[in-house]
Amino acid sequence: DTAVSQTPKYLVTQMGNDKSIKCEQNLGHDTMYWYKQDSKKFLKIMFSYNNKELIINETVPNRFSPKSPDKAHLNLHINSLELGDSAVYFCASSLRTTEETQYFGPGTRLLVL
Amino acid sequence: GDSVTQMEGPVTLSEEAFLTINCTYTATGYPSLFWYVQYPGEGLQLLLKATKADDKGSNKGFEATYRKETTSFHLEKGSVQVSDSAVYFCALSDTGGSYIPTFGRGTSLIVHP
Repeated sequence: DTAVSQTPKYLVTQMGNDKSIKCEQNLGHDTMYWYKQDSKKFLKIMFSYNNKELIINETVPNRFSPKSPDKAHLNLHINSLELGDSAVYFCASSLRTTEETQYFGPGTRLLVL
Repeated sequence: GDSVTQMEGPVTLSEEAFLTINCTYTATGYPSLFWYVQYPGEGLQLLLKATKADDKGSNKGFEATYRKETTSFHLEKGSVQVSDSAVYFCALSDTGGSYIPTFGRGTSLIVHP
């Protein structure tokens, strides 16, 4: 059974479009995260939610809006996509905010043309 | 702030060779240290961790020892296999801070038969 799943796995779209990525975890964890991994594999935290509440919002453009309908789901909506948004986006979860070990999803590969 | 520095890759080895991937860190508190592995096309998985000085983390033949005096957490394996080909990330989590891991830039390992 997949612990942290993301859809879609691949996303190819035009500049200016709006797209969403979905994430679900079945581990019963309280805390979920979105990371962005660039072409050089550098991993950067974007957002963190704990029990549906936003707790970390790094310096990310307002075009990115996370939403957590319940503690098992964390979605990422991106408005007005730009070329520089092309990257791999990873969802992750941890048991709680003070639990250090993170469990990652398989990633969503976004290509903006 | 906290930071993690890893040796640049790619590291290219023949099967059964000895592996060392260097990692040093800077942290204000007493962090926990991690190695994550990312296989091609997948998300990151925790490989091993150590939570205090002189602890040794080990898993799947990989080992790393938390060295406070040299602020290092080098990853080693005695005999690598082709299936170990992946990107390896060193990370720290500052237990006095947000617990969000700070990742190094990753080191690609390529093992040839």
